[in-house]
Amino acid sequence: QQQVKQSPQSLIVQKGGISIINCAYENTAFDYFPWYQQFPGKGPALLIAIRPDVSEKKEGRFTISFNKSAKQFSLHIMDSQPGDSATYFCAASFNNDMRFGAGTRLTVKP
Amino acid sequence: DGGITQSPKYLFRKEGQNVTLSCEQNLNHDAMYWYRQDPGQGLRLIYYSQIVNDFQKGDIAEGYSVSREKKESFPLTVTSAQKNPTAFYLCASSMGQTAGVPTYEQYFGPGTRLTVT
Repeated sequence: QQQVKQSPQSLIVQKGGISIINCAYENTAFDYFPWYQQFPGKGPALLIAIRPDVSEKKEGRFTISFNKSAKQFSLHIMDSQPGDSATYFCAASFNNDMRFGAGTRLTVKP
Repeated sequence: DGGITQSPKYLFRKEGQNVTLSCEQNLNHDAMYWYRQDPGQGLRLIYYSQIVNDFQKGDIAEGYSVSREKKESFPLTVTSAQKNPTAFYLCASSMGQTAGVPTYEQYFGPGTRLTVT
């Protein structure tokens, strides 16, 4: 069964807007939550990651919000740019066993 | 120039043939992984290896085999038993456990797109 559920499947945002992608997980043993960015024909690149002892982590325009009690976490991309257009994957891991969401295809319109 | 290399980028095979995908890393990482990616789906784990000469099956290991004879290399063989082998294959590596704190960052190679007809 799918252990990490990601939504939406696709997202269209205007340049300068905020992109928000959500993920929910089942297994409370997960203790590492990364986000990956993937461009067509390329391997995923680690964007930002969080551990459950903090509720938020910010790196530049990218922020992860983490809600342990709800078993949910989200990626916020502020001031979205056309160059951010890519597929984003959330993941959850425990003991090097990493489970991925199905991905969100983000399109940022100029 | 450190990183993970996968070769070839594109691979074409006839049905019924075995094919081996290469994955090499010079990051001195202990753990290596193989994932399969299909359109509209997330990454699914095929095999992983935490240490040389040891590896474990992932969720979709049937029809695949691996070896880990060297720390730097983790080749994947797609056998003729794999019913639907056409996919994008991704190799990844991570440091594994560091100083008592598990390190989960996985770094991916550029991928190999396999087409079987």
